[in-house]
Amino acid sequence: NAGVTQTPKFQVLKTGQSMTLQCAQDMNHNSMYWYRQDPGMGLRLIYYSASEGTTDKGEVPNGYNVSRLNKREFSLRLESAAPSQTSVYFCASRIEGTANTGELFFGEGSRLTVL
Amino acid sequence: GDSVTQMEGPVTLSEEAFLTINCTYTATGYPSLFWYVQYPGEGLQLLLKATKADDKGSNKGFEATYRKETTSFHLEKGSVQVSDSAVYFCALSANSGGSNYKLTFGKGTLLTVNP
Repeated sequence: NAGVTQTPKFQVLKTGQSMTLQCAQDMNHNSMYWYRQDPGMGLRLIYYSASEGTTDKGEVPNGYNVSRLNKREFSLRLESAAPSQTSVYFCASRIEGTANTGELFFGEGSRLTVL
Repeated sequence: GDSVTQMEGPVTLSEEAFLTINCTYTATGYPSLFWYVQYPGEGLQLLLKATKADDKGSNKGFEATYRKETTSFHLEKGSVQVSDSAVYFCALSANSGGSNYKLTFGKGTLLTVNP
């Protein structure tokens, strides 16, 4: 059972380049999330998707776009990367139904460096 | 809005020492509370949770009790091991309407256990 899978795990970009981080989950979860983790800042929510076809902004959405391609996949796109977007990015999904207490399941992270 | 404040690190202990990491929260309603752990180079994993007042979550020798009167969810372990070295995140989850939940994280506490 793979859980939440992110690709790539590492990426180096130059300022102004674009790239897409991919995320897929095999747990049949409706909700998916993208967070960024920075030293001393904890985790901050970039975007989330409550269900296929819907997306909403989180705490720090500027400079990012997302696509909920289908129930399994939720991608994060940087159209014009900036050094301030150097971070570790985590995708997560949430359990549903009667077991729903709001907890998230995380991928292993994607470390992005923008030069 | 909701917030989580946890003890700032880093925390350095010797093996078999007693661990406490303090966590307090501010939330409307009755949130669920979580401790996540992040081992070096990995994503976040759920360590334990509590969904209502006076519940005690426990896992791998770690414990935390949901204290509504003091709005706290302190993490404890009686005897830490080198393998417990990681970053620990306190988090709360509150229903933001319908089946939507918002997860709010603390900034994380780095624990290093020396042999």
